[in-house]
Amino acid sequence: RKEVEQDPGPFNVPEGATVAFNCTYSNSASQSFFWYRQDCRKEPKLLMSVYSSGNEDGRFTAQLNRASQYISLLIRDSKLSDSATYLCVVRGTGRRALTFGSGTRLQVQP
Amino acid sequence: ETGVTQTPRHLVMGMTNKKSLKCEQHLGHNAMYWYKQSAKKPLELMFVYSLEERVENNSVPSRFSPECPNSSHLFLHLHTLQPEDSALYLCASSPQGSTDTQYFGPGTRLTVL
Repeated sequence: RKEVEQDPGPFNVPEGATVAFNCTYSNSASQSFFWYRQDCRKEPKLLMSVYSSGNEDGRFTAQLNRASQYISLLIRDSKLSDSATYLCVVRGTGRRALTFGSGTRLQVQP
Repeated sequence: ETGVTQTPRHLVMGMTNKKSLKCEQHLGHNAMYWYKQSAKKPLELMFVYSLEERVENNSVPSRFSPECPNSSHLFLHLHTLQPEDSALYLCASSPQGSTDTQYFGPGTRLTVL
């Protein structure tokens, strides 16, 4: 089983749509969780950290369910500029390095 | 824009060549990382340096040799690579702590012929 699993997509949605991505992780001792965004042929960039209480940043909402070991990202009112690959990222206890999922590709269409 | 720079951005090399990738961070961070991203595969950690000391080596073949002369610079020395080593090599840095966000450089796209 992969450490971090994501649906690769692509998710093709119209502008203005709401889209949700889920991610599952295998290590129950994982401590930190993130969503990164990676544009085509560019480096990953932090989108948001994910906290147990859930957190929101504008149109983006992230949630963590430790009992079920999954993380979600909700994007409301999708923009063309949201088109990218969204990477679910997990860090284990005491580890510095991050474990990445393969990413979910989102294509927002006009 | 980015506080982490990498050179070269693109590199084509033969299997018998020796080359080096360079990473520099201008963020005052104490930890630096090398990741490999192959097509349709997740990023894979290669090496972690903390305060210039290697703290993780993720079973990387010896044809990849990292060097961290100071906390701002990280190198990846390459020799006798294989075509399957062609990938995007990403450098990242973080302040130090285990919960810190990592900041990535733009990567070096390597092609091994």
